[in-house]
Amino acid sequence: KNEVEQSPQNLTAQEGEFITINCSYSVGISALHWLQQHPGGGIVSLFMLSSGKKKHGRLIATINIQEKHSSLHITASHPRDSAVYICAGTSQETSGSRLTFGEGTQLTVNP
Amino acid sequence: DVKVTQSSRYLVKRTGEKVFLECVQDMDHENMFWYRQDPGLGLRLIYFSYDVKMKEKGDIPEGYSVSREKKERFSLILESASTNQTSMYLCASSLMTGAYEQYFGPGTRLTVT
Repeated sequence: KNEVEQSPQNLTAQEGEFITINCSYSVGISALHWLQQHPGGGIVSLFMLSSGKKKHGRLIATINIQEKHSSLHITASHPRDSAVYICAGTSQETSGSRLTFGEGTQLTVNP
Repeated sequence: DVKVTQSSRYLVKRTGEKVFLECVQDMDHENMFWYRQDPGLGLRLIYFSYDVKMKEKGDIPEGYSVSREKKERFSLILESASTNQTSMYLCASSLMTGAYEQYFGPGTRLTVT
């Protein structure tokens, strides 16, 4: 069992739909990261959070520390949101700022 | 804005060659990381460095070494490239130890033939 698990692995949506990607973790973390990777490889950090909720434009990230669960929501999805979304935790148990990654969710938004 | 650059986007090397992948960050970050990314396996940490000349093994260090002689530059070295090292290599940096964002470079797609 991976220490960070995401669901679903693949998600296809129609433009305008509300999208939720889930992340569960089994290790102690000091922060939870959501990353976005477009075709071609570059990875961009979307959010880093340790409690509550953060919002940036149409993206919302929430975390429930007690349940060890985080969600990434995309409102009014658009084809340009098509990407791989990766959840990662900064572990409390390892040195430095090492991240433990989920396997990613491939999102495709069709026009 | 933090900028992390990598020396090549695409690289083709032959089995047995010595390969250098270079990464440079321009924001005086203490921590730098090398990952490889493979389909179905996600991102895996090869090595990281938390200071000049300091390094620590990640999850898959075998077949790799690193060098950090200056704070802004972190090099990944494949001493004798093998076909199973064909992969996407990503460099990242973060401000310091602790819960800080990691900033990623564009990646180098290495093919070893």
